[in-house]
Amino acid sequence: SQTIHQWPATLVQPVGSPLSLECTVEGTSNPNLYWYRQAAGRGLQLLFYSVGIGQISSEVPQNLSASRPQDRQFILSSKKLLLSDSGFYLCAWSGTGGGKLFFGSGTQLSVL
Amino acid sequence: TQLLEQSPQFLSIQEGENLTVYCNSSSVFSSLQWYRQEPGEGPVLLVTVVTGGEVKKLKRLTFQFGDARKDSSLHITAAQPGDTGLYLCAGYQTGANNLFFGTGTRLTVIP
Repeated sequence: SQTIHQWPATLVQPVGSPLSLECTVEGTSNPNLYWYRQAAGRGLQLLFYSVGIGQISSEVPQNLSASRPQDRQFILSSKKLLLSDSGFYLCAWSGTGGGKLFFGSGTQLSVL
Repeated sequence: TQLLEQSPQFLSIQEGENLTVYCNSSSVFSSLQWYRQEPGEGPVLLVTVVTGGEVKKLKRLTFQFGDARKDSSLHITAAQPGDTGLYLCAGYQTGANNLFFGTGTRLTVIP
């Protein structure tokens, strides 16, 4: 069966520090991968998605970047965090061509 | 630009009451999904609707896709405390790989 792992679960970082959030998927090949950010109790904002290794599409201009160094690994990064980067970050995968999304358990990021 | 607007944003009802959540857009979607999310967790898919006018039932939950595939509704009959959570609609536009999420409806069912 397929599983998705996202870590860490919570993270507190000072303004100006770097960020690296990692997401890995098991049990499937060539998934579509997604990074979303969620404000408290609200909908999800799509940040990045990837349909293959090295292929990254950015939905919004921001202080963040994403990379997909391996088929089932998706990394969200920042060189210098801003206060506005605080939020709940969710990684997700779907089969090729879209469809149902399977989400990780999320990372609560607080930038202080 | 928010493609999918949900209403109401917050809903607090007594156990046993009925409720409807709406998901509206000016855009056409090839399919629309509904998710429920618990605090501190990722959303979990409830249903996918793909045909205009389609109605799907999941126990006490009834989902409908608008005829023009621009809107959807979720109706819950005899709500229970276990229905409490954040309900999210999400849609794929034709030919797109990315799923756009609605603004969310926070439901609280009081015992």
